[in-house]
Amino acid sequence: SQQGEEDPQALSIQEGENATMNCSYKTSINNLQWYRQNSGRGLVHLILIRSNEREKHSGRLRVTLDTSKKSSSLLITASRAADTASYFCATARMNTGTASKLTFGTGTRLQVTL
Amino acid sequence: GAGVSQSPSNKVTEKGKDVELRCDPISGHTALYWYRQSLGQGLEFLIYFQGNSAPDKSGLPSDRFSAERTGGSVSTLTIQRTQQEDSAVYLCASSPRQGYGNTIYFGEGSWLTVV
Repeated sequence: SQQGEEDPQALSIQEGENATMNCSYKTSINNLQWYRQNSGRGLVHLILIRSNEREKHSGRLRVTLDTSKKSSSLLITASRAADTASYFCATARMNTGTASKLTFGTGTRLQVTL
Repeated sequence: GAGVSQSPSNKVTEKGKDVELRCDPISGHTALYWYRQSLGQGLEFLIYFQGNSAPDKSGLPSDRFSAERTGGSVSTLTIQRTQQEDSAVYLCASSPRQGYGNTIYFGEGSWLTVV
């Protein structure tokens, strides 16, 4: 089963509006990351928030993390047409081994129209 | 190179043939991942290499899939006796150090079509 589940699956907004995407996960995590993907190719890292952080900002991005609810949100303010992409959350589970992997959600497809 | 390099970028193969996909991670990165993404879907973890540790193969979908990493650098993902359901983008990523969920850097992927 998916560790991360984003919602909505698809979001369409007009340029200038804010876009909010949510991510829920199931197990305890060390950190949560958001990635962006254009045109079904490579993903680009956007922001990482650690389990002991509640909010983080980077430019027009704002990420929140609620570990009690096992959820995170990504807010893109003043959206631009160039923000059109798919956005994925990824979680790193807490474990005792040295091996680690990121588990990705199913993504939110954002469409920003002029 | 500056980023993760994957080849081929596109591959069309006949059902039943074997294919090899190659990944050159960023120089010095000790961790290497393979993911698979079907059209319009999320990323499915396949395998993870970290330094000299035994790889985490827990995501490989069947014994037709295997991967190796030679000299701690280049990795090859091999799919034997390809099936149509293997059609997907295969994404490789690398990370500079071990640890819990460090930022990973993706290549542009290899798009595999099995006909």
